[in-house]
Amino acid sequence: EIVMTQSPATLSVSPGERATLSCRASQSVSSNVAWYQQKPGQAPRLLIYGAATRATGIPARFSGGGSGTEFTLTISSLQSEDFAVYYCQHYNTWPRRITFGQGTRLEIE
Amino acid sequence: QVQLQQWGAGLLKPSETLSLTCAVYGGSFSGYYWTWVHQPPGKGLEWIGEINHIENTNYNPSLKSRVTMSVDTSKNQFSLRLTSVTAADTAVYHCARGRGADAFDVWGQGTVVTVS
Repeated sequence: EIVMTQSPATLSVSPGERATLSCRASQSVSSNVAWYQQKPGQAPRLLIYGAATRATGIPARFSGGGSGTEFTLTISSLQSEDFAVYYCQHYNTWPRRITFGQGTRLEIE
Repeated sequence: QVQLQQWGAGLLKPSETLSLTCAVYGGSFSGYYWTWVHQPPGKGLEWIGEINHIENTNYNPSLKSRVTMSVDTSKNQFSLRLTSVTAADTAVYHCARGRGADAFDVWGQGTVVTVS
């Protein structure tokens, strides 16, 4: 089973600065990675799929990168509304498997 | 604009069966996989499984023995049953739409289920 490991667990950044979140897969997953944002009491929101494609309506300050086992989510200039928990997710078509990372909490420094 | 609205019992006793339903409004029901995800208090997300309109299913192997999903295409609804619940099944349960084989782009509001 593929394990997705996110780092760091908590990231403290000031508004206006850049934040880079990491996700490592226990084995190669090609580009089959998505990223979500979740705020307290809300459902997750899809940000990125296919490792680097922004979902509909997602601002350009969010970008995804990587392939194989190392992936990143970068937020270029943090806005107040960006402070939340972020999850990476691997997907496999056959056998069908979906696994999430444990999350990175992005907090205001 | 597609919206998902979910409901079901929020308080269960150990050994009972969890039952949740999610309705799809404002979009097509066929052509997608419909998914359930749960999130224990203070923890991360875990995929439970998915179903499409012709009832093809995929389940998380760790839950497969206790999970059944179904659809009602006449009402654009899909449902989750999880048998023999324990305190470990206490979580927020989310329904979601599979964007394709990759990610989940539309989510329900979440249902808090407590087993006690």
